[in-house]
Parts: sequence; C-alpha cells; structure tokens
Amino acid sequence: AAGVIQSPRHLIKEKRETATLKCYPIPRHDTVYWYQQGPGQDPQFLISFYEKMQSDKGSIPDRFSAQQFSDYHSELNMSSLELGDSALYFCASSSPDARNTEAFFGQGTRLTVV
Amino acid sequence: LAKTTQPISMDSYEGQEVNITCSHNNIATNDYITWYQQFPSQGPRFIIQGYKTKVTNEVASLFIPADRKSSTLSLPRVSLSDTAVYYCLVGRFTGGGNKLTFGTGTQLKVEL
Repeated sequence: AAGVIQSPRHLIKEKRETATLKCYPIPRHDTVYWYQQGPGQDPQFLISFYEKMQSDKGSIPDRFSAQQFSDYHSELNMSSLELGDSALYFCASSSPDARNTEAFFGQGTRLTVV
Repeated sequence: LAKTTQPISMDSYEGQEVNITCSHNNIATNDYITWYQQFPSQGPRFIIQGYKTKVTNEVASLFIPADRKSSTLSLPRVSLSDTAVYYCLVGRFTGGGNKLTFGTGTQLKVEL
C-alpha cells in the first residue's frame, strides 16, 4: 500500500539558508500535518492543512511557511535557518473519514543546520 | 484539547503483559482516544483507537472506562521489538481536519 512520502530524507544546510521539505500524502487523503521532533523530544505540531486550506497552527516559527497544493502534496519552507532548527520533520496525512483520527506518518526528513 | 498525562517510562520483560494508562480528565464528548508507537528516528505509527468500553485489534487492546477520563493500552506478551515510545492522543475530527497533538509519551523498555 502507498505510504506518505517525504523528501528529501536528509538535508544539511548552513545557518541563514533556506530549506524546502516536501510531503506527498497517501492518495485520497485530504489532510496533511507537519511535526518537528528534536533529539529526545516529543513531536511538536507545526501546522496542518485540510482541503488545501490551513486548518490548524501550532508552534510554527514565523520563519517557516507551508502550503498544500492542488494535488494535495505539501511543502514546508524554512528560511533564515538556525542551529536550533536541526530536527526530524515528519509529515502525516489522514483521510476524510469523520470518525477516524488515524494519521499515517512518513519516514521524516532529518534536517541538520551547521 | 484535552491534556493527556502518561508515565514517563515503564520497564517490562519479554512475554509479560504491559498496561500503560493515560489520564485525560478534560476529554470532550466528541473526542476519540488514539495510541501511537514510535521507534527512534521513525514516524509515529498508529496502534489503536477507541471511543468507549473496549477495543481490540491484532496488536493491542484499549480499555476505556465509562467516564472516559482515562484509558489503558494493553500490550499482550511483549517482546524486545516492542521497546518504543507510546503516545496517547485525544482528538476529534473538527470538519477541518483532525487535531492531533502529542504530549509526553511513555518510554517502554522490554528486556529479556
């Protein structure tokens, strides 16, 4: 079965550079979530999209922005990168089933800022 | 969103049953309880979801009392490969997507 695809899997950037992370949800899933997970920490919710519109916003820095495109894939844009942005970034998707709170997570993108 | 509270860590041995309890005193009527498992450097993986009473699937059982202020994830006969962090989430479909907020999970360590 198709899973959530994230690219790239690994990314190394220098401080003050820009990074773009991509997420391709499971087909027919209309909701995408982004999470940031630092070393030894729990996943922190950043932002989510439902039917290409932002549906919820968490602790996402102003330097970050995201969007969901017409084909439902999503991109997380990160500018003016800081050392503290080094983390695993997970994308998840879920279906339009109103009673199903199951989300499927991708393998993540490991971002290292040097 | 209802805040969840779980033990920080638990230890067990292979073959034993493990029960992890999560408190969610402020759970709302429309909230579902969902448990995820996470291995290091991997994305969380759905284990089980329930609304009330008992739910069982091929990997776990979920017990939810009538007042729904807590829930217990039961893992039968754990093995070394069950060593992971387990998260209890309380969320609901809001018409604009689900709200899935992770709290502090439980680090389960299974030994021989």
